[in-house]
Amino acid sequence: AQSVSQHNHHVILSEAASLELGCNYSYGGTVNLFWYVQYPGQHLQLLLKYFSGDPLVKGIKGFEAEFIKSKFSFNLRKPSVQWSDTAEYFCAVNAYRGTASKLTFGTGTRLQVTL
Amino acid sequence: NAGVTQTPKFQVLKTGQSMTLQCAQDMNHEYMSWYRQDPGMGLRLIHYSVGAGITDQGEVPNGYNVSRSTTEDFPLRLLSAAPSQTSVYFCASSPDRGLFQPQHFGDGTRLSIL
Repeated sequence: AQSVSQHNHHVILSEAASLELGCNYSYGGTVNLFWYVQYPGQHLQLLLKYFSGDPLVKGIKGFEAEFIKSKFSFNLRKPSVQWSDTAEYFCAVNAYRGTASKLTFGTGTRLQVTL
Repeated sequence: NAGVTQTPKFQVLKTGQSMTLQCAQDMNHEYMSWYRQDPGMGLRLIHYSVGAGITDQGEVPNGYNVSRSTTEDFPLRLLSAAPSQTSVYFCASSPDRGLFQPQHFGDGTRLSIL
């Protein structure tokens, strides 16, 4: 079964600091990868996704992620965080099995950005 | 565009009561799913559906039933509520069953079981 690990549970950064959140998955086949963000009191929103092609994908609000197949990783990065980036971030993997897919989420990383 | 609509937003139940969480989408999406979100555990898939009349179990299906009589609606039923089902429940939909298109999430239902 596929699984997703997010090792950083709670990250605290000052504004303008750089961000990297780790995401590792376990599945031997073809995967699609996602990062979702959940702002306080809101539902999940898609930040970015990787299906194929360029392993460096860019999303909304200046976020990007790099898919490294050999490391089974899909880390999220942002060069300079803002206070408004305070949220919970979820990595998710979809292992398509020909008829339907199930999205497996990591446990999430809570990011707190201080002024 | 309403997107994915969940009702109610909040609910308190007593142990043993039953209830139905409603989910409706107006985007004609084929794929619908229910997740529960618990602190430190992320989102876990309860049930999902790839079209009207077709449902299947996710990671944590026990204690929950679903049905998909129409494309638009995907209700989640708690048969006999237990405190362990206290959680925030999210419904989501996607245009395709392969999830090559990302899911759209509802605003969630916060459920407390006493």
